[in-house]
Amino acid sequence: GENVEQHPSTLSVQEGDSAVIKCTYSDSASNYFPWYKQELGKGPQLIIDIRSNVGEKKDQRIAVTLNKTAKHFSLHITETQPEDSAVYFCAASSWYDYKLSFGAGTTVTVRA
Amino acid sequence: NAGVTQTPKFQVLKTGQSMTLQCAQDMNHNSMYWYRQDPGMGLRLIYYSASEGTTDKGEVPNGYNVSRLNKREFSLRLESAAPSQTSVYFCASSDGAEAFFGQGTRLTVV
Repeated sequence: GENVEQHPSTLSVQEGDSAVIKCTYSDSASNYFPWYKQELGKGPQLIIDIRSNVGEKKDQRIAVTLNKTAKHFSLHITETQPEDSAVYFCAASSWYDYKLSFGAGTTVTVRA
Repeated sequence: NAGVTQTPKFQVLKTGQSMTLQCAQDMNHNSMYWYRQDPGMGLRLIYYSASEGTTDKGEVPNGYNVSRLNKREFSLRLESAAPSQTSVYFCASSDGAEAFFGQGTRLTVV
């Protein structure tokens, strides 16, 4: 099965700085890579996703990059704000079953 | 719009007791999932249902059973709860890509 590794496990940044979270995956059949944000006491919520036919995708202050050859993908948050403090999960799945395999999560703290 | 609704939100069980976690979605999605979340381990798939009438095991199915009652509802049953099943359980539904999650059920087995 798919194995997704995520680093770092915790990340503390100054407000206004950038945050980068990296993930690797093992199954070359994976072609869908979403990122989820989880706030305290809530379920994960999709913030951005990328498919294997695209190398980069941006949505305002967040962007995701994908390197299929190296089997890794990254989340970039620019101009961080206090409301960006949360746990972020990367995930991977394939087109034929969409069963998501998650990374262990990164706790991001934005210091004011 | 309610999205994905899970009940109950909190539950304490004694070892050996049984219970059913309920999940319902109102987005007309075909696929539904049950995950458990443990500290430092992300979310792990317990069971999923690609469509009404079908269910398949995920990564950690032992000790659980599921029922896809209809297109809207997907329940998770613990027949004989064990302390190792203490976790936060999430139900999700999907239209093929993006998964929508419920608020979770925090289960403690003592």
